[in-house]
Amino acid sequence: DGGITQSPKYLFRKEGQNVTLSCEQNLNHDAMYWYRQDPGQGLRLIYYSQIVNDFQKGDIAEGYSVSREKKESFPLTVTSAQKNPTAFYLCASSSGRPTYNEQFFGPGTRLTVL
Amino acid sequence: QKEVEQDPGPLSVPEGAIVSLNCTYSNSAFQYFMWYRQYSRKGPELLMYTYSSGNKEDGRFTAQVDKSSKYISLFIRDSQPSDSATYLCAMSERGAQKLVFGQGTRLTINP
Repeated sequence: DGGITQSPKYLFRKEGQNVTLSCEQNLNHDAMYWYRQDPGQGLRLIYYSQIVNDFQKGDIAEGYSVSREKKESFPLTVTSAQKNPTAFYLCASSSGRPTYNEQFFGPGTRLTVL
Repeated sequence: QKEVEQDPGPLSVPEGAIVSLNCTYSNSAFQYFMWYRQYSRKGPELLMYTYSSGNKEDGRFTAQVDKSSKYISLFIRDSQPSDSATYLCAMSERGAQKLVFGQGTRLTINP
């Protein structure tokens, strides 16, 4: 089955800790994205990558970092510099073709800061 | 002003009703329009994808785009309790990889 997996489903972090959220896809998609969703709000773009070893900041990149060493994987690190990290984090991918840009989402990771 | 506006609701309707969900936008360069359905604590799933103006139908769902008014709609016919979810509109410019999302409308279908 093709799809996007995210792990863990739930994550708890203490103040001052960095944590890394995993995102893997087997759809052979070139582009991958990380979003943050807060209650009552839409999706806000954190980072995106259109090709391996390249990524761009989204609208709310401060306090986050990413890497794209493999086409299938796009991990997100939430650093201690992110002041309000409790949120639902969603990873997505798309083919990367300009006329076929719909995104497909993973199941999400819920991060809670204790 | 946000680039995409969507009434967050909540919207509650009886089973079998026709539901109308809407988004307005300000960027006339948007060419691709999508509707996603998101169940509680799950990732969004793509429902409808349309290019430019016009209608697209898929079963009980119809997506409508009016570019002259910068207005898109999703209609759900014969609504079912299983349609209860948050519905997100999303759109993008031609050639762009980034999507701009609406806030999402929370819909409840009452049996």
